[in-house]
Amino acid sequence: DQQVKQNSPSLSVQEGRISILNCDYTNSMFDYFLWYKKYPAEGPTFLISISSIKDKNEDGRFTVFLNKSAKHLSLHIVPSQPGDSAVYFCAANRNYGGSQGNLIFGKGTKLSVKP
Amino acid sequence: DVKVTQSSRYLVKRTGEKVFLECVQDMDHENMFWYRQDPGLGLRLIYFSYDVKMKEKGDIPEGYSVSREKKERFSLILESASTNQTSMYLCASSPTGTGYTFGSGTRLTVV
Repeated sequence: DQQVKQNSPSLSVQEGRISILNCDYTNSMFDYFLWYKKYPAEGPTFLISISSIKDKNEDGRFTVFLNKSAKHLSLHIVPSQPGDSAVYFCAANRNYGGSQGNLIFGKGTKLSVKP
Repeated sequence: DVKVTQSSRYLVKRTGEKVFLECVQDMDHENMFWYRQDPGLGLRLIYFSYDVKMKEKGDIPEGYSVSREKKERFSLILESASTNQTSMYLCASSPTGTGYTFGSGTRLTVV
């Protein structure tokens, strides 16, 4: 059973507009969430994270929102740039507050930003 | 910057061969992980290790084993490679906590 779900395999956005990538999870014990970005033939790189005690975290053009009651998080990219075109993975820490990270990933959403 | 180095970017092996994928990290991280990435399936955890000589099965350990004899090195072993193990393999490390640093990946093709 998939515990972290990214239901949109792909998303296409015009340059300068907002990109919204969504992620749902099923386990209410998850307490830390991350987004990773991956270019082809490279390893994923960390983008932004959020703890379950917050509902928003912002870093430049990237903002992550967490709705615990809905078990939903989203990544907003404003404004979108062609260099943002990549696969974005949502991940949740399933160690429930422990010190050892053990992440479970969604299947990813491929974002294409068109000039 | 933390560096996670995977020894090969591309590998082609024959069915039945024993395959070693090596991963080295240079920041004294306790935790190391092996994932594989397949289209439509995302990143799936194969094995992980929280300490030297310690290993834990992930979600898809069948057909794989691991070795962690030194803190900085975590090896993934395919005992007898099969075509369904053709994939992108990603190694990651992390300190105590949750942030991973990934290597660049090894694209393995089994023919």
